[in-house]
Amino acid sequence: KAGVTQTPRYLIKTRGQQVTLSCSPISGHRSVSWYQQTPGQGLQFLFEYFSETQRNKGNFPGRFSGRQFSNSRSEMNVSTLELGDSALYLCASSQGPESSYNSPLHFGNGTRLTVT
Amino acid sequence: AQSVTQLDSQVPVFEEAPVELRCNYSSSVSVYLFWYVQYPNQGLQLLLKYLSGSTLVKGINGFEAEFNKSQTSFHLRKPSVHISDTAEYFCAVSAIRGYQKVTFGIGTKLQVIP
Repeated sequence: KAGVTQTPRYLIKTRGQQVTLSCSPISGHRSVSWYQQTPGQGLQFLFEYFSETQRNKGNFPGRFSGRQFSNSRSEMNVSTLELGDSALYLCASSQGPESSYNSPLHFGNGTRLTVT
Repeated sequence: AQSVTQLDSQVPVFEEAPVELRCNYSSSVSVYLFWYVQYPNQGLQLLLKYLSGSTLVKGINGFEAEFNKSQTSFHLRKPSVHISDTAEYFCAVSAIRGYQKVTFGIGTKLQVIP
């Protein structure tokens, strides 16, 4: 079974631009979560989707948005980029709502975003 | 609401020595507990999980963790570390009922010294 795939692996953007990151979950997984990882802050939860619906959202400004498609693939978008948005963005998938409480997260290798 | 505290940001240890990485959590409801490992330039991988039953949980790569409900702790241990164990380790919790996001600790960097 293929793992979680995130594209692209690296991105360099300029302040004020916008960016879209993509995540393909493990086949059969219907839940996708996004995390921002920065040194000293650990993993900060962005949002989680299940069956195209956002079920939970972290404390990030509205510039951060996401969506999930009918095939469970997910995208996240960051508009009006700021220097502080430079981070590793991780996507994780799990099986679904009934099992999501105890089902472990399966992570992709992340997209490293650098904002200059 | 739930939170996770990893008490050590970095832990240096000599090869073949034992190691303990500490994790304490806070939650108003019962939780599931996890340890994940992140190698350089990779995502996180599950090391082990505690769902119920025996409080001593064994995971991959010779790691184990013990759930202590009274002390709200879930410390990770390995009796003899290898160079390949050099990585960052994250403790995480999720509520058993009423869907909550998975909350991660800030991570502990394990540096194995040859």
